[in-house]
Amino acid sequence: KQEVTQIPAALSVPEGENLVLNCSFTDSAIYNLQWFRQDPGKGLTSLLLIQSSQREQTSGRLNASLDKSSGRSTLYIAASQPGDSATYLCAVLAGTALIFGKGTTLSVSS
Amino acid sequence: NAGVTQTPKFQVLKTGQSMTLQCAQDMNHEYMSWYRQDPGMGLRLIHYSVGAGITDQGEVPNGYNVSRSTTEDFPLRLLSAAPSQTSVYFCASSTTMNTEAFFGQGTRLTVV
Repeated sequence: KQEVTQIPAALSVPEGENLVLNCSFTDSAIYNLQWFRQDPGKGLTSLLLIQSSQREQTSGRLNASLDKSSGRSTLYIAASQPGDSATYLCAVLAGTALIFGKGTTLSVSS
Repeated sequence: NAGVTQTPKFQVLKTGQSMTLQCAQDMNHEYMSWYRQDPGMGLRLIHYSVGAGITDQGEVPNGYNVSRSTTEDFPLRLLSAAPSQTSVYFCASSTTMNTEAFFGQGTRLTVV
């Protein structure tokens, strides 16, 4: 059964720091991996989608990588800002469902 | 762009009551799905649909029904609410199963 793990569960950094969020999955047979952002009491906002044939995707200050063979993905956030404070979720598409990790809650202090 | 719209945003039900959570999307997406989000459990798939007239069960389907009569709408029905169904429910849609998923703002349901 596919399992997705995100470490750390929580992270606090000062503004301006570059940071990396980690996501690991147990079965490399995935179709894609997607990173989401969730603000308290809100829905999920899609950040980046990496298809299984791709190695990375970039959007602005965000860069996500995928290494299927090792079952790992990282989300790199450059020059963090207080507005980046949120919970970040990664999810892999395996079969017919997105399998989610439990998220990393990021707090960026000014 | 409205995207994925869920109604209501909040609902309190008594045990045994039934209700329908509404989900509509205006992006002409074929694939739609329902998830529930519980503390410590993450998001889990309840039901999904790959197109109008086609639905299937996800990981936690018991106590829920769905139908997909149009491309735009994918309602989730709670047949007889139980306290264990207290959760936040999210609807999602994508062009196909393997493309970027877009989520609604969620419905926070409490069953007392």
